[in-house]
Amino acid sequence: EAQVTQNPRYLITVTGKKLTVTCSQNMNHEYMSWYRQDPGLGLRQIYYSMNVEVTDKGDVPEGYKVSRKEKRNFPLILESPSPNQTSLYFCASSLTLNQPQHFGDGTRLSIL
Amino acid sequence: KQEVTQIPAALSVPEGENLVLNCSFTDSAIYNLQWFRQDPGKGLTSLLLIQSSQREQTSGRLNASLDKSSGRSTLYIAASQPGDSATYLCAADTQGNQGGKLIFGQGTELSVKP
Repeated sequence: EAQVTQNPRYLITVTGKKLTVTCSQNMNHEYMSWYRQDPGLGLRQIYYSMNVEVTDKGDVPEGYKVSRKEKRNFPLILESPSPNQTSLYFCASSLTLNQPQHFGDGTRLSIL
Repeated sequence: KQEVTQIPAALSVPEGENLVLNCSFTDSAIYNLQWFRQDPGKGLTSLLLIQSSQREQTSGRLNASLDKSSGRSTLYIAASQPGDSATYLCAADTQGNQGGKLIFGQGTELSVKP
């Protein structure tokens, strides 16, 4: 089944403890992206990647890192999480640019 | 800076009714306009994508139109069903082949009553 898989789905952690949210797609998509969704602010793009080893900042990249070493994986790294990064995170992918994006089911992060 | 607005924020209709969801954007220089559906606790599901050169797209009971000159897109749902209850989001692609950046509206929460 074609899908975008995020892990974990839920995580409660403390300020400053490094964490990684994994994202994997099995559709051989070139484009992948991370978004966060917050009440009243909607969905905002954090980082995106147009292909292996090609990444760029979205609208709200501060406090996040990404890497794209393989086509299928696009992990989101929070080196020193803070409470303002408490949010619902979505990974998305598309075959190429200008194509419909497929979303994962989301990761709910709580930073205490 | 591109801004995308969806009005109303919430809509409740009886089953069987035809309805229109609205999406407006401030900058007409978009590459495409996408409509998504989000169910509670789930990710987004792509419904329709209208390229900037197109006027509309149809899928089953859904029809989406795009008018770049007026900065508007509409999603028409025919013969609504309770299973259509969800939040509907529109997103404008402002970069196309240069980056695929989507700017999302805040969504319209639709409730279809049996």
